[in-house]
Amino acid sequence: NAGVTQTPKFQVLKTGQSMTLQCAQDMNHNSMYWYRQDPGMGLRLIYYSASEGTTDKGEVPNGYNVSRLNKREFSLRLESAAPSQTSVYFCASSDQGLMMDNTEAFFGQGTRLTVV
Amino acid sequence: GNSVTQMEGPVTLSEEAFLTINCTYTATGYPSLFWYVQYPGEGLQLLLKATKADDKGSNKGFEATYRKETTSFHLEKGSVQVSDSAVYFCALRDGTSYGKLTFGQGTILTVHP
Repeated sequence: NAGVTQTPKFQVLKTGQSMTLQCAQDMNHNSMYWYRQDPGMGLRLIYYSASEGTTDKGEVPNGYNVSRLNKREFSLRLESAAPSQTSVYFCASSDQGLMMDNTEAFFGQGTRLTVV
Repeated sequence: GNSVTQMEGPVTLSEEAFLTINCTYTATGYPSLFWYVQYPGEGLQLLLKATKADDKGSNKGFEATYRKETTSFHLEKGSVQVSDSAVYFCALRDGTSYGKLTFGQGTILTVHP
């Protein structure tokens, strides 16, 4: 019953520090996503991985990198954190192929990141 | 590109009141439409969905109808409860996007006893 698991749940960084947010899913989903949630702006897609071995930029990729380590894991890296990256980060997964419209996305519980 | 616009919030209601949260969208082709709910301290959960025009999604007393002519997917509930207090997100996914969701800005709902 784990679904999508994110670590850590909370993190405070100093400007310029680096860190990696981890995400793992146990539903054998092909596609995984990283979103950031900011007040009044909903969730915005940072990067996604349509399938193992592929990654693509989303709406707001600048300042981030990702790695699809295997089918289960999709990590998000901040190389040099900035205050503008203070946000709540959500990982999600879905069994989404191009034509499979009926599948839903499952979300992790989020990582609250503060950059000071 | 795709976009989703939700009504301005927050929304504050008394228990048993009627709820409407408006959602309109712009998209290419024929998107699928979703409502997600986020309870305090948790991730997003799918509340309901509709995959084609005139479909009605429903769950836990909430309903939304996919209106292609007005490009809308308004969320309604006839009688809200305190436990419905949460943030509600309207979202769409088009058929070419490998499952990527485009979200509205979210509407905070608070229900008082």
